[in-house]
Amino acid sequence: GENVEQHPSTLSVQEGDSAVIKCTYSDSASNYFPWYKQELGKGPQLIIDIRSNVGEKKDQRIAVTLNKTAKHFSLHITETQPEDSAVYFCAATRTNAGKSTFGDGTTLTVKP
Amino acid sequence: EAGVAQSPRYKIIEKRQSVAFWCNPISGHATLYWYQQILGQGPKLLIQFQNNGVVDDSQLPKDRFSAERLKGVDSTLKIQPAKLEDSAVYLCASSLRQITDTQYFGPGTRLTVL
Repeated sequence: GENVEQHPSTLSVQEGDSAVIKCTYSDSASNYFPWYKQELGKGPQLIIDIRSNVGEKKDQRIAVTLNKTAKHFSLHITETQPEDSAVYFCAATRTNAGKSTFGDGTTLTVKP
Repeated sequence: EAGVAQSPRYKIIEKRQSVAFWCNPISGHATLYWYQQILGQGPKLLIQFQNNGVVDDSQLPKDRFSAERLKGVDSTLKIQPAKLEDSAVYLCASSLRQITDTQYFGPGTRLTVL
């Protein structure tokens, strides 16, 4: 089955700095890669996603890059703010099988 | 638009007892998911429904877990009997139809098995 590794497990940055979270996946058939933000006591919320026919996608301060050959994808957050502090999860999805596998999460702390 | 509703929010039981969780998805969403999230880990899919039919239950421990989605709307997840390792947050999510449609998660039910 699919295996998703996410790094780092914890990340602390100063407000205004950039944060990068990386994920690798094992199943070359995975073709859809969402990223979720989970705040304390809440369910995960989709923040950005990318499909395998695209190498990069950007939405304001958030961007995701995908390297299909190396089977890894990354989340980039620029100009971080304290409200960006949360746990971030990546996921790799085989759309033809309807299966998503999540990474174990990265706890991001943005210090004011 | 109302979000995904789950109840109860918290539940504490002793091992070997039974417990049930309820989920009300977003109106009009055909697909419903139940995930188990153990502390420090990402969500793990237990079961996926499309309307009232099961699409995937390959990771559902069927000797103790059961789930149903009557009339293709609300869903219940049951554990009987519970084990210590079942302590986790149980998340319900729904999406319009396909796996690539945005999944909207409920707040989860935190289960503690003593």
